[in-house]
Order: sequence, then C-alpha cells, then structure tokens
Amino acid sequence: DAGITQSPRHKVTETGTPVTLRCHQTENHRYMYWYRQDPGHGLRLIHYSYGVKDTDKGEVSDGYSVSRSKTEDFLLTLESATSSQTSVYFCAIRGTSGRLGEQFFGPGTRLTVL
Amino acid sequence: EDQVTQSPEALRLQEGESSSLNCSYTVSGLRGLFWYRQDPGKGPEFLFTLYSAGEEKEKERLKATLTKKESFLHITAPKPEDSATYLCAVQAGETSGSRLTFGEGTQLTVNP
Repeated sequence: DAGITQSPRHKVTETGTPVTLRCHQTENHRYMYWYRQDPGHGLRLIHYSYGVKDTDKGEVSDGYSVSRSKTEDFLLTLESATSSQTSVYFCAIRGTSGRLGEQFFGPGTRLTVL
Repeated sequence: EDQVTQSPEALRLQEGESSSLNCSYTVSGLRGLFWYRQDPGKGPEFLFTLYSAGEEKEKERLKATLTKKESFLHITAPKPEDSATYLCAVQAGETSGSRLTFGEGTQLTVNP
C-alpha cells in the first residue's frame, strides 16, 4: 500500500471554517500529490510537492494551499471551506520503480462542507 | 490541453463474458499511459504502465494495449471480484512534476 495514510478519513465541517487534511508516507518519496475526486470530473490534481518546501499548483488549486515541512508529511488546507469543496480527497506518492515512477494512492478523506 | 475519455461509463457483464474497456487520449507527447483499479471507498490501485504504441501488459485476466490514440483494457473471462471502476491516466511530455490527467473511469459490474 506504499505506506500512505491520510487523516482524518471522514470530516464534516461548516462553510467558512478552515480545514487541514494530512497525508503521511513512510518511504521517503520525494514527490507527493493531492487530488480531489468528484462525479463527472474524475480525479483532478490540486497541488503537488517535489521536495520539502517545494510545491506547485495543479489544475484546481483555487481555495487550497499546501505545506511540506518534512519529507513524510504533506498538508492540504482549505482556508475557508465552501460547499463546492465537498469531495473525496486523495493523496498520492510517486514511486521509484518503472521508467516514469507510478503514482500510488492513499485511502482517501471524505470531506463534507455544510 | 491533455484530454482522456473513457468508454463506456458503465458496463455489466456476466461471469465469463469477455469484453474491453476503452481509453482515448489527446496529449502532447505521451510519456506513459496508466491503468488503475478503484474499489468503492478506496484509493486507486495501480495496474499497468504502457509507454509506446504496440506495447501490451498482462496481469491475470487483464490485458492492456496501447495505440497512438487509445488504450484498451481487455478482460478475459471476468469474475465477480473484477467488479470495480477502472481508471485511465496519461502523463504528457510537457508536464512538470510527473503530473497525470485522468479519465472519469468505467464502472464494471460482473454478475455471477
């Protein structure tokens, strides 16, 4: 399972509140990713990191920020949650096998914004 | 802009009834095409990477093939445990950070 955990696994929050999701990996992978998955859209990249303190935006980054102060942890923050951010959030790491390094996913966090 | 389209959206098969799932892509300089399996309530599970047209990969009852415009996931004599959503993704040559573009998936149900 590539040693990826996500916390919390489920969260219900109210519009306007800040929310932080955590992704933790145990295998020292350099690249980490945050995706959201919604019906009709599939998986979409929010942000990714290519090292400690090195991050970049994905295709749906508005309303989200990330931080990576340690190799093993990648945090996703919703500064002021909105109902449109209700989704399932997946963290992934890029493995080191294969020519391109396949991405392996965590179990997901289901977030509901009321 | 990279695009990935999967068809059909949903497929119902009887156990033992072979079929194929399609993944069509438009990408600038394909570096790799990936297939994943996703069970309800879980994260996607990596299946295959295909790098160039003509390449094939197999795993148990699954075989993935790649052309210059599309990929097929062939399922031979499926079993109920093959029921899942199958996702296709591409990595383009121009993208940074090994970014992937995903299709919406095909939901496969195999009835006993």
